[in-house]
Amino acid sequence: GQQLNQSPQSMFIQEGEDVSMNCTSSSIFNTWLWYKQDPGEGPVLLIALYKAGELTSNGRLTAQFGITRKDSFLNISASIPSDVGIYFCAGRETSGSRLTFGEGTQLTVNP
Amino acid sequence: GAVVSQHPSRVICKSGTSVKIECRSLDFQATTMFWYRQFPKQSLMLMATSNEGSKATYEQGVEKDKFLINHASLTLSTLTVTSAHPEDSSFYICSARDPGGGRTDTQYFGPGTRLTVL
Repeated sequence: GQQLNQSPQSMFIQEGEDVSMNCTSSSIFNTWLWYKQDPGEGPVLLIALYKAGELTSNGRLTAQFGITRKDSFLNISASIPSDVGIYFCAGRETSGSRLTFGEGTQLTVNP
Repeated sequence: GAVVSQHPSRVICKSGTSVKIECRSLDFQATTMFWYRQFPKQSLMLMATSNEGSKATYEQGVEKDKFLINHASLTLSTLTVTSAHPEDSSFYICSARDPGGGRTDTQYFGPGTRLTVL
């Protein structure tokens, strides 16, 4: 079946630092989605990518859809304490099919 | 972004009772909704795909008679945990698919329901 590897599993950074996390897949995806989940809440969509090579920003967040269509990264610039949470990547092979989720990256930001 | 609501947010019940969780898409029509289960410090585990007007598709290992899913309208799907037991205690999250005209096919998640079975 599909495998989606997300790394790193956790990160501990200082406020103001930049952060990068990525996901790689054993399958070709046509969609990559990045979500953030706070404790006790559902995941919130951060960025959606639909085309290989696409680079999309949302405030301090930037994500890219890899050219091979098997990977994606998320960057967070100038981190702040409220960036703390778990970040999940998710990919979809074909339109309408279910998402495959990464295992998540737990981000801790020290003030 | 699109809004998906989930009710209740938290429920505590006695073993043997049934619990119904509602998932609503508030500003778009969702022909497909998904039900996930999440254990502490783990990723989301897909339980079933709910399609409006048809039977849900369950993932391997998920008992369809235990977790009843009904998707009676384009904005509402319900998950009923029947004869709940303590091992059913978990965080249940729904999501709704917004086709967005095809190219921008996206899933939006509800806030989740914390189920505790005593």
